[in-house]
Amino acid sequence: SQQGEEDPQALSIQEGENATMNCSYKTSINNLQWYRQNSGRGLVHLILIRSNEREKHSGRLRVTLDTSKKSSSLLITASRAADTASYFCAAIYNFNKFYFGSGTKLNVKP
Amino acid sequence: NAGVTQTPKFQVLKTGQSMTLQCAQDMNHNSMYWYRQDPGMGLRLIYYSASEGTTDKGEVPNGYNVSRLNKREFSLRLESAAPSQTSVYFCASSEAGGLKAFFGQGTRLTVV
Repeated sequence: SQQGEEDPQALSIQEGENATMNCSYKTSINNLQWYRQNSGRGLVHLILIRSNEREKHSGRLRVTLDTSKKSSSLLITASRAADTASYFCAAIYNFNKFYFGSGTKLNVKP
Repeated sequence: NAGVTQTPKFQVLKTGQSMTLQCAQDMNHNSMYWYRQDPGMGLRLIYYSASEGTTDKGEVPNGYNVSRLNKREFSLRLESAAPSQTSVYFCASSEAGGLKAFFGQGTRLTVV
């Protein structure tokens, strides 16, 4: 697979806490994206970071990219119960191949 | 603007039967994809199409065929279904340059 692992596989936190999830990939990418999946539904795009960027913010989301380690992290600050979902990273190659990780299942307890 | 539409939403097949999963997008995207999602495995790329008239294998193409009928439609065919193909199948399309991907709602396929 072109995609590595995501960790943790599952994460349970209290509302208001921060959630951090990580992913790794195997070869040089064009960009890396994070997606959210609510149970049984299709994935929804959250944020994109290009290979020449190191950090990106969008609302309560912060993404970092370390191309030397071939890894990325997603931080969700001040989590809410509505953030409960699975989160996937996608490594993009050749500007049109999307390879997804195995995902992190986040549970935010009210 | 419906985005990406998949049909059917649910299907039960007997081993050896064939079926075609349909996918259509109305966003004028060149690239389209088929993934399968199994518990704990994330999404695995079956086939993709970078543009009308072209298709390429992904990570797990065995047992599947695809057709890019036109720019809007990308179908996935199981010629002889096997229980190992029980999964949730997602179709997606993406903006040019490998930007944002849009997903359909999925097809839950059970092969008995």
